[in-house]
Amino acid sequence: DGGITQSPKYLFRKEGQNVTLSCEQNLNHDAMYWYRQDPGQGLRLIYYSQIVNDFQKGDIAEGYSVSREKKESFPLTVTSAQKNPTAFYLCASSPPGLQLRGYTFGSGTRLTVV
Amino acid sequence: DAKTTQPPSMDCAEGRAANLPCNHSTISGNEYVYWYRQIHSQGPQYIIHGLKNNETNEMASLIITEDRKSSTLILPHATLRDTAVYYCIVRGLTTDSWGKLQFGAGTQVVVTP
Repeated sequence: DGGITQSPKYLFRKEGQNVTLSCEQNLNHDAMYWYRQDPGQGLRLIYYSQIVNDFQKGDIAEGYSVSREKKESFPLTVTSAQKNPTAFYLCASSPPGLQLRGYTFGSGTRLTVV
Repeated sequence: DAKTTQPPSMDCAEGRAANLPCNHSTISGNEYVYWYRQIHSQGPQYIIHGLKNNETNEMASLIITEDRKSSTLILPHATLRDTAVYYCIVRGLTTDSWGKLQFGAGTQVVVTP
């Protein structure tokens, strides 16, 4: 079945370390997105990419970096510059154009700084 | 994209209909209303969307008022598995907005036996 796979499900990071969260999709979707969710809050957009080798900052991009070298992959790196990285991270994808159906989300990665 | 306002929480008895309101008074003519839900510690799941006509699918019904300033998501026979946070989102069709779904805090729905 097609879908989005995020790994790992749980991730622990020491302060000062960079970590990379994986997001892979086999839906042949062009666009991919990273969201951050804090407890009791909605989702906030970190980065998004509409095509390979192109990506745009979302609302809270500081302290994060991404790459889009392949259509199916959109990894997110949480750098040491991110002051409060403990959160639930969600990856999503959508088909090209103004598709009305909406996004497909992964099951998330819960990052904890120890 | 237009902002939305939802109640922070609501309870529903199992087997009864759950009616979830959403206000979007600044919605413009080309903006759709979307509903997603998020079960605890999972990714959001698409439920339904509409422009101005009422819509129904296997999961829910969407009622949009004639002036489009508010809408109601109806879960006809709530089950315990419907316990989740429900998000109402207004989304435009411009190429600038289609890539950025804006999620608010949503409504926490608790279905009780």
